[in-house]
Amino acid sequence: GNSVTQMEGPVTLSEEAFLTINCTYTATGYPSLFWYVQYPGEGLQLLLKATKADDKGSNKGFEATYRKETTSFHLEKGSVQVSDSAVYFCALRSGGSYIPTFGRGTSLIVHP
Amino acid sequence: DAGITQSPRHKVTETGTPVTLRCHQTENHRYMYWYRQDPGHGLRLIHYSYGVKDTDKGEVSDGYSVSRSKTEDFLLTLESATSSQTSVYFCAISDGQGANTGELFFGEGSRLTVL
Repeated sequence: GNSVTQMEGPVTLSEEAFLTINCTYTATGYPSLFWYVQYPGEGLQLLLKATKADDKGSNKGFEATYRKETTSFHLEKGSVQVSDSAVYFCALRSGGSYIPTFGRGTSLIVHP
Repeated sequence: DAGITQSPRHKVTETGTPVTLRCHQTENHRYMYWYRQDPGHGLRLIHYSYGVKDTDKGEVSDGYSVSRSKTEDFLLTLESATSSQTSVYFCAISDGQGANTGELFFGEGSRLTVL
């Protein structure tokens, strides 16, 4: 079956630090990969996605590259802000399924 | 922003009482989902729907039922609420375009407390 593994949090950083949140996956076929973000008190929203190997998704300064050889989709940002404090979820969809598989989420806390 | 409205947003109830949460969408999307979010468990799928009157169970469906009589509404019912069902419930929708590539759009959540 499909599975997504994310690094456990919380990840605590100072403003302007470099961010990496690791995500690895197991999937049948050729999945599409997603990062969702959940700000406090809100629902999840799509941050970025990649649909095939070597694609790079990017949005709001965040990037992630679909690495088929390492089955990874790590989220990175060069300089985080306090406003990036949120929970980040890695997810995949594969095999034509309309049911995505989510990781457990990684909480990011950015201090001024 | 996708048009998804959850109601009620907050509810406190007692053990053994029935509870219905409503998800309403204005996007005409085919797929609708109910998730619960709990610390340490992330998101868990309760039920989902792939069309009017077409629903199926997710990984944590025990104690929950759903109904979808119209495209725009997806109801989640707890027939007899228990304290273990205290959680934040999220509705999500998807248009089903592009198998694998479509994103989910989430509502803002309904916080349920069962005393």
